[in-house]
Amino acid sequence: ETGVTQTPRHLVMGMTNKKSLKCEQHLGHNAMYWYKQSAKKPLELMFVYSLEERVENNSVPSRFSPECPNSSHLFLHLHTLQPEDSALYLCASSQDYQGMNTEAFFGQGTRLTVV
Amino acid sequence: GQQLNQSPQSMFIQEGEDVSMNCTSSSIFNTWLWYKQEPGEGPVLLIALYKAGELTSNGRLTAQFGITRKDSFLNISASIPSDVGIYFCAGPAMGSNYKLTFGKGTLLTVNP
Repeated sequence: ETGVTQTPRHLVMGMTNKKSLKCEQHLGHNAMYWYKQSAKKPLELMFVYSLEERVENNSVPSRFSPECPNSSHLFLHLHTLQPEDSALYLCASSQDYQGMNTEAFFGQGTRLTVV
Repeated sequence: GQQLNQSPQSMFIQEGEDVSMNCTSSSIFNTWLWYKQEPGEGPVLLIALYKAGELTSNGRLTAQFGITRKDSFLNISASIPSDVGIYFCAGPAMGSNYKLTFGKGTLLTVNP
């Protein structure tokens, strides 16, 4: 069983659809992250949760809505997306949000295509 | 956020060659991390460094934590086609309040 699991692996959605990405970590970590990775661009940090509290929201449009119901699960709710939102969405977790124990472990990602 | 300068941006090498890439920053790091990302997958942690001057190996990979704590390098010896991917450096920078920061990655292509 992998440490961080993301579902679905691939998602195609229309601009009027609502969908959710799911992430689950089995590592007992306190921090969880959403990253966006577009083609030929660096990793973009979207949201960070530490102990189920959102601690970072990096100017992400409101059509992306995160949810962290408990320390093991993280969701990214999507609605009225644009084609430029097509990207690989990566979830990660780390023991802590700051300091020495910030080694992040990533899921395999969700390849999102908005049509 | 704190900038991590990773170079080179991309490399095209022949199978069997050695590879070297590095990361530098104006900020001090307490930990340096090196990740590899294969196409369509999430990054995987290769090596973690925790002390200035530390030299750590993982198979054909060797990474060092710079003495100044502001840089790190990753070497790959005798490259093989499956080394292809994007290599990221990362770490919690003092200038970013010790939050995890990623470099922009080095894209490695290995020609058989």
